[in-house]
Amino acid sequence: DAGVIQSPRHEVTEMGQEVTLRCKPISGHNSLFWYRQTMMRGLELLIYFNNNVPIDDSGMPEDRFSAKMPNASFSTLKIQPSEPRDSAVYFCASNPGLAANEQFFGPGTRLTVL
Amino acid sequence: TQLLEQSPQFLSIQEGENLTVYCNSSSVFSSLQWYRQEPGEGPVLLVTVVTGGEVKKLKRLTFQFGDARKDSSLHITAAQTGDTGLYLCAGVITGRRALTFGSGTRLQVQP
Repeated sequence: DAGVIQSPRHEVTEMGQEVTLRCKPISGHNSLFWYRQTMMRGLELLIYFNNNVPIDDSGMPEDRFSAKMPNASFSTLKIQPSEPRDSAVYFCASNPGLAANEQFFGPGTRLTVL
Repeated sequence: TQLLEQSPQFLSIQEGENLTVYCNSSSVFSSLQWYRQEPGEGPVLLVTVVTGGEVKKLKRLTFQFGDARKDSSLHITAAQTGDTGLYLCAGVITGRRALTFGSGTRLQVQP
């Protein structure tokens, strides 16, 4: 079975550009999570959805970040406009039940904003 | 301020040595998970501990949950180069619904 799929795996962009990261959760999983990982701050939860509805977006750093989940098999994380400090690895994870249960992570998208 | 502090942050040892990694918090957890992350990949769950004082073993890895459910430890016996990676603890803090991850311990096992 396919795990969590993320695209692109690597993204290099210039400051001010719009960036869209994509995630396909594991089929049948009803919770989806977006994380950001940096050396300085570790792994931080940005937002999570349950049954396609955003439950907790308190980790979204600012209005430049937005996330959507239009259906059970697809989610996007958008940064507009991007800034150099947004450079990080962005992970998507999903799980089939409670948010506190085991999370299945995708391979991540390494974002570099120049 | 990290709600889940891990120590040490970095650890470089020789193959065959033993090591212990700690995960501490002032908060009580209903359960706590340990993940390992290899370069270029996402974290993968190793174990979940639920009961205060619980000890779980996974081959050469021993996980313990503190009696008060505020801390946990991971002990590796006779480390191997394949144990190299970033070890993360994670738990649900009272009042929150999703996992909070610790600061991580980066382990390098030299041949």
